Amino acid sequence: DAGVIQSPRHEVTEMGQEVTLRCKPISGHNSLFWYRQTMMRGLELLIYFNNNVPIDDSGMPEDRFSAKMPNASFSTLKIQPSEPRDSAVYFCASTRDRNQPQHFGDGTRLSIL
Amino acid sequence: KQEVTQIPAALSVPEGENLVLNCSFTDSAIYNLQWFRQDPGKGLTSLLLIQSSQREQTSGRLNASLDKSSGRSTLYIAASQPGDSATYLCAVRQQGYSTLTFGKGTMLLVSP
Repeated sequence: DAGVIQSPRHEVTEMGQEVTLRCKPISGHNSLFWYRQTMMRGLELLIYFNNNVPIDDSGMPEDRFSAKMPNASFSTLKIQPSEPRDSAVYFCASTRDRNQPQHFGDGTRLSIL
Repeated sequence: KQEVTQIPAALSVPEGENLVLNCSFTDSAIYNLQWFRQDPGKGLTSLLLIQSSQREQTSGRLNASLDKSSGRSTLYIAASQPGDSATYLCAVRQQGYSTLTFGKGTMLLVSP
């Protein structure tokens, strides 16, 4: 049973460039979450989808961040333009329902120079 | 706003010791609580999930307890092994919400 798959695993890019992070949730899971992890702030929820619909995007830092879920098996998180302070590890997680554990991908380590 | 605190931030023990990790939360109106393990460079792995109606959950050498009224949970690890070295995170789900609020974790090092 494949877990949550994220790509790329690492991304290094220059300030001002567009960054797109990708996530494939576990098949049959209808909720998907994007998180950001930094040493200072720990793990923070950015946005949450249920049945491909964004439910809570209050954690999205600013308009430079956007997320989509065009179908049940794919989601993207886009940063445009990127800034050095966006450097962090970005995780995607999915779950079948709120009584079940969330399953995390291995994350994308993003460095903005 | 829910806040989750984990103490200690770091812990170093010799192999074989039994140990307890602590998690506290400010709002007791939770739906469930989850303990995760994170290895360096990896995502989070769910260890135990306790529903608000439960007092504890066990999996192998791990036992998690929940005291909702006092806003506390503990993760007990029996007979620790070097392979237990990782960061352990606690997360709570509020009633009426589907999202988790995480603590900052306890970094555990078990020496051979």
